[in-house]
Amino acid sequence: DGGITQSPKYLFRKEGQNVTLSCEQNLNHDAMYWYRQDPGQGLRLIYYSQIVNDFQKGDIAEGYSVSREKKESFPLTVTSAQKNPTAFYLCASEDGSSYNSPLHFGNGTRLTVT
Amino acid sequence: AQKITQTQPGMFVQEKEAVTLDCTYDTSDQSYGLFWYKQPSSGEMIFLIYQGSYDEQNATEGRYSLNFQKARKSANLVISASQLGDSAMYFCAMREGWDQAGTALIFGKGTTLSVSS
Repeated sequence: DGGITQSPKYLFRKEGQNVTLSCEQNLNHDAMYWYRQDPGQGLRLIYYSQIVNDFQKGDIAEGYSVSREKKESFPLTVTSAQKNPTAFYLCASEDGSSYNSPLHFGNGTRLTVT
Repeated sequence: AQKITQTQPGMFVQEKEAVTLDCTYDTSDQSYGLFWYKQPSSGEMIFLIYQGSYDEQNATEGRYSLNFQKARKSANLVISASQLGDSAMYFCAMREGWDQAGTALIFGKGTTLSVSS
């Protein structure tokens, strides 16, 4: 079955450590996105990529980095510069072929930094 | 200013009743799309329904319908005959410039719906 896989589901890190969240899709979608979700805040856009080797900052990109070396993969690195990294992170993709194409989401990674 | 506003943090409804979840949006674009997603406690995001700014008819998908009032910039989700499984958080989202596929969605803060028996 096609879909988006985020791993791991739960991730624990010590403050000051960089951590990379994995996102893989086998839907052959061009566009991929990273959102952060905090309680009461909805989803906020971190980074997105419309094509391989290209990506754009979203509203809250500070303290995060991404790469898009392959169409299937869009990993997100939470750096030690991110002041409040504990959150639920959602990866999404879309084929971008039509204006009404919805985002397809992974099941998320819950990151806890202590 | 917020692009998507969902003013109801929580809503409570009994089984089999209809419920309306409010969403207002702010954009100066003439072309845009509006989406609703459901997020159960498991965390997955489930796409429910879409409405384009040029669509003349309100969108419907099974028990979900969208009450689209363009002049008021509102896109309320109506769930008919609520079920216990409808208990979840619901997000309204917008894509501006819908003719440019690959534009990111902007989400509201969500409404938590609780359905009781």
